[in-house]
Amino acid sequence: AQSVAQPEDQVNVAEGNPLTVKCTYSVSGNPYLFWYVQYPNRGLQFLLKYITGDNLVKGSYGFEAEFNKSQTSFHLKKPSALVSDSALYFCAVRPHNTNAGKSTFGDGTTLTVKP
Amino acid sequence: DTGVSQDPRHKITKRGQNVTFRCDPISEHNRLYWYRQTLGQGPEFLTYFQNEAQLEKSRLLSDRFSAERPKGSFSTLEIQRTEQGDSAMYLCASSEPTRLAGGLRELFFGEGSRLTVL
Repeated sequence: AQSVAQPEDQVNVAEGNPLTVKCTYSVSGNPYLFWYVQYPNRGLQFLLKYITGDNLVKGSYGFEAEFNKSQTSFHLKKPSALVSDSALYFCAVRPHNTNAGKSTFGDGTTLTVKP
Repeated sequence: DTGVSQDPRHKITKRGQNVTFRCDPISEHNRLYWYRQTLGQGPEFLTYFQNEAQLEKSRLLSDRFSAERPKGSFSTLEIQRTEQGDSAMYLCASSEPTRLAGGLRELFFGEGSRLTVL
């Protein structure tokens, strides 16, 4: 069975400071990993994904994520936070088997960026 | 085509009634997924289709839930004899064919259908 843990319900940072939203996962075999963002009253939007290769993945809006196989982590990062980054962030995992359709999501982390 | 659309956006019903939600995926997306999300939790997988075939269904899904995608385009999710525990946001997502996505398909979500069972 696959699972995702987002250990922090809430992350608060000041605008301009770096941010990290943590994610650890469990899956059989190699993972596909994703980050999605949900703004109030909006659907989930894809941010970035890890397939294979370079452990540092760059995505939308200046976000990046670092894959660490030994720690089974895929933390989301941004060098300089913006107030507009405030939203709910979800990490998701899916096994490499391309016939497997199910993505498993964490319970989300609310990011608040204060001016 | 502007994205995944879901209808209705909100549904309030009395316990015991049946409800049906519709999802129109992004055109040419051959996979369609249904998820359920409750407050404070991440999306929980319910089922998915590849074209018209339902390939996987969550073991958590009771027999009161049924989903169809008869022509491989739009999909419906029906909940029979609703219970208060069914109150949630029902999310639909679609993804493009593997041959276009390089084997990895991210999900494109609709804005969801919120169900309230009184």
